[in-house]
Amino acid sequence: QQPVQSPQAVILREGEDAVINCSSSKALYSVHWYRQKHGEAPVFLMILLKGGEQKGHEKISASFNEKKQQSSLYLTASQLSYSGTYFCGTERGTSYDKVIFGPGTSLSVIP
Amino acid sequence: GAVVSQHPSRVICKSGTSVKIECRSLDFQATTMFWYRQFPKKSLMLMATSNEGSKATYEQGVEKDKFLINHASLTLSTLTVTSAHPEDSSFYICSAAIGTSGTREQYFGPGTRLTVT
Repeated sequence: QQPVQSPQAVILREGEDAVINCSSSKALYSVHWYRQKHGEAPVFLMILLKGGEQKGHEKISASFNEKKQQSSLYLTASQLSYSGTYFCGTERGTSYDKVIFGPGTSLSVIP
Repeated sequence: GAVVSQHPSRVICKSGTSVKIECRSLDFQATTMFWYRQFPKKSLMLMATSNEGSKATYEQGVEKDKFLINHASLTLSTLTVTSAHPEDSSFYICSAAIGTSGTREQYFGPGTRLTVT
């Protein structure tokens, strides 16, 4: 039931773009994105609920495909502060009452 | 923004003793609180879901008698690790959720590093 994330790790230079993917074998109710810096708690980035939805947060945005089985997180013009591990969390429906997190994608932005 | 505190941030205990970890939502009332365990460089593993005033729902493989969860109010949940063993050493993180099931934003506490000697 754990969603699949790709890539596992990515290294970027400042200013470069990255895409992190999250996919499930079953249709999802919602997808959440979080970022965790080393030694800290995860921080909520955004939640997507509707198939075809796109959301933005400064230079970080995400999409949720029409079939609601795949979401992508887009980081544009990356900054050093973007470094961390990105987790997607998925919910299958209102009766499941829990979020299952993917394995995470480690993102390192270097000068 | 929504702030969640966790106490203690670090604890070292001897094998066989019990440890209590508190999770508080400081500026909002949380409909649901979650407890996670995280191993180094690994994902967040959900241990249990806790709703105020009702029994926690534990994930498969998590011993309810070992990891006691009490959700006394809309702002406080506690996790007690009973008869701790070295294999219980881990990073425990709680989160407090706002919203209804399926649409909830989770706000995480800073975590508790438990070391059992």
